[in-house]
Amino acid sequence: GGIITQTPKFLIGQEGQKLTLKCQQNFNHDTMYWYRQDSGKGLRLIYYSITENDLQKGDLSEGYDASREKKSSFSLTVTSAQKNEMAVFLCASSIVAGGNQDTQYFGPGTRLLVL
Amino acid sequence: SQLAEENPWALSVHEGESVTVNCSYKTSITALQWYRQKSGEGPAQLILIRSNEREKRNGRLRATLDTSSQSSSLSITATRCEDTAVYFCATAKNNYAQGLTFGLGTRVSVFP
Repeated sequence: GGIITQTPKFLIGQEGQKLTLKCQQNFNHDTMYWYRQDSGKGLRLIYYSITENDLQKGDLSEGYDASREKKSSFSLTVTSAQKNEMAVFLCASSIVAGGNQDTQYFGPGTRLLVL
Repeated sequence: SQLAEENPWALSVHEGESVTVNCSYKTSITALQWYRQKSGEGPAQLILIRSNEREKRNGRLRATLDTSSQSSSLSITATRCEDTAVYFCATAKNNYAQGLTFGLGTRVSVFP
């Protein structure tokens, strides 16, 4: 088995700030993902990476940067936090890269609140 | 519109009762997945059912898949309070797509 760790658990920022979220996995999975979860809107894919130093944009990449410097870690940066923004950011990893049969393992999430 | 949608939006049952969540999807699939998300946690996969399977079981969970009507269901028997969670169906836009598309989820509450 393995585990995905996300830090911090809660993040409170101010409008315009650059905020960084971190994710670590010990599954030894090649592929990692960042999703955003808003109340009533399900999960939306922000960025994914199929290997170290690879970055691919998802449906919601505008306003975000990502970094995959090691196989085990994947960081997400909110480039300019928006006032009253509130969401949960979920990191996931998987063995198989893509498709319907891609079982994803999720971390517990980082809860963001922008004042 | 969503690639996959669960219904109903929410439901509640008493412990020991059965519950069924339905999912409709809008693309040709090779598999469909069911995930559960408990409060304060990330989603966790419950069942992956492939397009050549009509039914799949995992303990008290049973998933069905009907590719002709593009629908799936997840049933939980002998529910427990710890089954309280949001249940999602998830699929991918195509076999090469990265990342899964989740529905908005069904909130299931199980009361003592």
